[in-house]
Amino acid sequence: GAGVSQSPRYKVAKRGQDVALRCDPISGHVSLFWYQQALGQGPEFLTYFQNEAQLDKSGLPSDRFFAERPEGSVSTLKIQRTQQEDSAVYLCASSLVGGAEQYFGPGTRLTVT
Amino acid sequence: SQKIEQNSEALNIQEGKTATLTCNYTNYSPAYLQWYRQDPGRGPVFLLLIRENEKEKRKERLKVTFDTTLKQSLFHITASQPADSATYLCALPHGSSNTGKLIFGQGTTLQVKP
Repeated sequence: GAGVSQSPRYKVAKRGQDVALRCDPISGHVSLFWYQQALGQGPEFLTYFQNEAQLDKSGLPSDRFFAERPEGSVSTLKIQRTQQEDSAVYLCASSLVGGAEQYFGPGTRLTVT
Repeated sequence: SQKIEQNSEALNIQEGKTATLTCNYTNYSPAYLQWYRQDPGRGPVFLLLIRENEKEKRKERLKVTFDTTLKQSLFHITASQPADSATYLCALPHGSSNTGKLIFGQGTTLQVKP
């Protein structure tokens, strides 16, 4: 069956541009997570959705980061006025319920020049 | 604050040997612990989950132990193969959350040489 998909796989943005990263979770998965992964590090939590409700956004690094999941399925992570320090791989994961194993997408590698 | 530590140095072993990776954590009493595998350019893939009341769990050539007194988990791959070469991540649930939000270690890279 289809896994978690993310698009685009690669994104190059000039500093100051806005970007939007898309995540298609596994159908029926209630929980959706966004993580940020720097080179050589483990993923770091950004935000969590249960269906369409954003229940935890404590990991978003600044108010330039915004995520939504309006219909409880596809999610978009938006970064406004990108900065060089935003360069990283952005991973999306979904799971059936909280506390279960998470299924990750391939990630979007964002490079801000 | 909660902290997870994995060996940052790569682990190089010969094919056929057992690889043992370590995950230590502090300031924490997690209800469970997960291990993931990550290949270059790909997202992590779930391998095993072990709960606090389980001492050991096995899946094919994989074995995980969970010592809540030592605050440590060991991940073993027996009869290792070059295809096992990857980065292995340890993850625990955030202490104050029951949402499944995970905190990851930095990962240990395993290289199995033929």
